[in-house]
Amino acid sequence: DAKTTQPTSMDCAEGRAANLPCNHSTISGNEYVYWYRQIHSQGPQYIIHGLKNNETNEMASLIITEDRKSSTLILPHATLRDTAVYYCIVSYHKLVFGAGTILRVKS
Amino acid sequence: SAVISQKPSRDICQRGTSLTIQCQVDSQVTMMFWYRQQPGQSLTLIATANQGSEATYESGFVIDKFPISRPNLTFSTLTVSNMSPEDSSIYLCSVEVGTVNTEAFFGQGTRLTVV
Repeated sequence: DAKTTQPTSMDCAEGRAANLPCNHSTISGNEYVYWYRQIHSQGPQYIIHGLKNNETNEMASLIITEDRKSSTLILPHATLRDTAVYYCIVSYHKLVFGAGTILRVKS
Repeated sequence: SAVISQKPSRDICQRGTSLTIQCQVDSQVTMMFWYRQQPGQSLTLIATANQGSEATYESGFVIDKFPISRPNLTFSTLTVSNMSPEDSSIYLCSVEVGTVNTEAFFGQGTRLTVV
């Protein structure tokens, strides 16, 4: 079973930052936090991952709380093309997907 | 990175038959996985394809129903055997390149409809 809890859906205005929360209170010390997204009819796409420290790449930022029991994915300037299902996964070896958050970016 | 080619991209099959799905990667990879995504649902891990040995199946999935081969570091097949309409799903291949805890890459999936 997935070890994460995410909101079912969220809306975001185009051009604004999208902040997607994830709870993972039972995360183990060696498990990473991963974020993937799936745009309709496509395979999942990797976004970012981290262990303890905050991470940033060209797509997004990942903020992990100090106790590692929750995290937030930040898309700094959401566009319509960011509309997708976003999956937060905690894993050491294999990815177990939960239900994810449907993010709708609206103009 | 890795580019994954899955074949076929879609198929419509008769119940009771079997379909073999191929996953070809453009580079050698350490880990290969197979997932199922039922209509309107999230992805479910079927098994880890191990090179040169039997696949490791997740709870609820068995080798007789979903035999998997991985003859080398760039290729794997998943067979869906004795199909029923409940097997109608998208089947996805996923790979990891390099060490554990790196990003995974996914194929575009095989959309299977069983009639």
